[in-house]
Amino acid sequence: DTEVTQTPKHLVMGMTNKKSLKCEQHMGHRAMYWYKQKAKKPPELMFVYSYEKLSINESVPSRFSPECPNSSLLNLHLHALQPEDSALYLCASSQLSRGPEAFFGQGTRLTVV
Amino acid sequence: SQQGEEDPQALSIQEGENATMNCSYKTSINNLQWYRQNSGRGLVHLILIRSNEREKHSGRLRVTLDTSKKSSSLLITASRAADTASYFCATGPLSIYNQGGKLIFGQGTELSVKP
Repeated sequence: DTEVTQTPKHLVMGMTNKKSLKCEQHMGHRAMYWYKQKAKKPPELMFVYSYEKLSINESVPSRFSPECPNSSLLNLHLHALQPEDSALYLCASSQLSRGPEAFFGQGTRLTVV
Repeated sequence: SQQGEEDPQALSIQEGENATMNCSYKTSINNLQWYRQNSGRGLVHLILIRSNEREKHSGRLRVTLDTSKKSSSLLITASRAADTASYFCATGPLSIYNQGGKLIFGQGTELSVKP
């Protein structure tokens, strides 16, 4: 299984809503990532988890809250988002000990209204 | 933060032609990778070249790396319509063990291959 699965594929939420994005991988990877990508732009790193611990937070606003319940799951909790947070949110994983190649999920297309 | 620039930003070629994309970066790196992204979907890893390598091949892909110029190029030979996608270079940090596999992406090249 070489897949990273993200749910949901599409999400529309209001600015007062609370929602969560989910990511799952069963490749035994010990690093997991959240990236944000705006149209026609490269992915921008948001968070890195290494061995289930948050190792990098790229100064992301607190309305985005990551969580890594176990080595296979990664969540991104969303609260009080702004319309400018609308983007494609990508989850990725990599095996630290065997190389830095990242495997990406198909992303969640988020629209904040 | 973004690592550097890719050029061209957009490239349109005919099927069967070769496509060359260039990437420049700013900091010292452990490796440089190339990814492909079909419209609105996830990224797919294509090839990785380490900082002590100068050239690498994988099928129709050829990647070069010049660490003195902090630049890399991706050549796709005998292109096909299915190669139409955005291509991103991404650099990995010197140490992956204290930064995960943190990747910093270039701006990307949109490749269009016309049948």
